[in-house]
Amino acid sequence: LAKTTQPISMDSYEGQEVNITCSHNNIATNDYITWYQQFPSQGPRFIIQGYKTKVTNEVASLFIPADRKSSTLSLPRVSLSDTAVYYCLVLDSGGYNKLIFGAGTRLAVHP
Amino acid sequence: AAGVIQSPRHLIKEKRETATLKCYPIPRHDTVYWYQQGPGQDPQFLISFYEKMQSDKGSIPDRFSAQQFSDYHSELNMSSLELGDSALYFCASSFREAFSGNTIYFGEGSWLTVV
Repeated sequence: LAKTTQPISMDSYEGQEVNITCSHNNIATNDYITWYQQFPSQGPRFIIQGYKTKVTNEVASLFIPADRKSSTLSLPRVSLSDTAVYYCLVLDSGGYNKLIFGAGTRLAVHP
Repeated sequence: AAGVIQSPRHLIKEKRETATLKCYPIPRHDTVYWYQQGPGQDPQFLISFYEKMQSDKGSIPDRFSAQQFSDYHSELNMSSLELGDSALYFCASSFREAFSGNTIYFGEGSWLTVV
């Protein structure tokens, strides 16, 4: 299983762009990278998922370099409500049906 | 859009009692996952089912068991409850197996408090 490493915490201010980088050095060829957001006492909420290059949706962008050993979640113009824990996970394509959560990034957005 | 439904949302049990949590996946999803998240901790994978068969097993105690039924809903049964079982239990679902980019969606969780 690909292990992920991401910053334990980050601070930002309202209106700024936030980039959270995750490393997954031993990602397998068929693995996908997926990001979740979690608020206290709530279920993880899917943000974005990708395989390579760049993926964008209405809330975030995901940048994945050619070697796929890392990925960067970009949150444009964050607000106070974006204060949460963000998890980078690798979808195990080896026949096992699960996501393994590592330590996420606690993002604090300040006024 | 329909989401993953979990019940009950809150449950209080005494030590050594039994608890059952239920999970109703998103319609047409055939894979269910269970996670446990203790206070201040990251979610830990317990077990998963695909097409009513156990597909993977994580750090699930022997006191716990789970199954997926013909309508794809799942139940997590926890016996001989201990104080350390107090946690938020998440169910998640996806369509087919969680590779090839299929997305896993989580429910809001069931709070279990053991006193």
